[in-house]
Amino acid sequence: DQQVKQNSPSLSVQEGRISILNCDYTNSMFDYFLWYKKYPAEGPTFLISISSIKDKNEDGRFTVFLNKSAKHLSLHIVPSQPGDSAVYFCAASPGGGADGLTFGKGTHLIIQP
Amino acid sequence: NAGVMQNPRHLVRRRGQEARLRCSPMKGHSHVYWYRQLPEEGLKFMVYLQKENIIDESGMPKERFSAEFPKEGPSILRIQQVVRGDSAAYFCASSPPARLSGNTIYFGEGSWLTVV
Repeated sequence: DQQVKQNSPSLSVQEGRISILNCDYTNSMFDYFLWYKKYPAEGPTFLISISSIKDKNEDGRFTVFLNKSAKHLSLHIVPSQPGDSAVYFCAASPGGGADGLTFGKGTHLIIQP
Repeated sequence: NAGVMQNPRHLVRRRGQEARLRCSPMKGHSHVYWYRQLPEEGLKFMVYLQKENIIDESGMPKERFSAEFPKEGPSILRIQQVVRGDSAAYFCASSPPARLSGNTIYFGEGSWLTVV
């Protein structure tokens, strides 16, 4: 039973355009959501997070949107740059914060020149 | 480098041998997490530890796998009698003492285990 789902294994976007990565979750107890970026042969790097009390969080070119009623979040990258090509993981954790994160399977973002 | 340190980065073991993976958390972090990434899969939670204490091991296989985080020294993930299916990337992460909702966990570079 996959509690965090990233339904697009890969996404190809032209450089300079907007990249939108999607993530759905099923566990109503999740209240903190994160995005990690991962290059091959490296560990995941924290990108941006959002708490369930917000519906949007922005950091430079990265914005995360949370729709609690739909149990859906998305990561927007604009403008997309070649260095953004990586695998992006959506992760979630429940209230209380004592547990590990539950990750999606990742979306491989490819930025084309 | 004050990040999460994992070693070895790459480990090759024959079937039946033991694998030991080490993780030193970031300075000031007392919570350690181990995740595994199998080929073509996402990151799977294995275990969450504090010093001398296993908090959550719900993701650990019931046999052959164990983890510890002693009072002194790194956290160790131990895999006994390795099989080919154990070949994966093992990532350690750490977080600050007060792991309240809103704290982020930070990952190491990973240890790649290959069982031949």
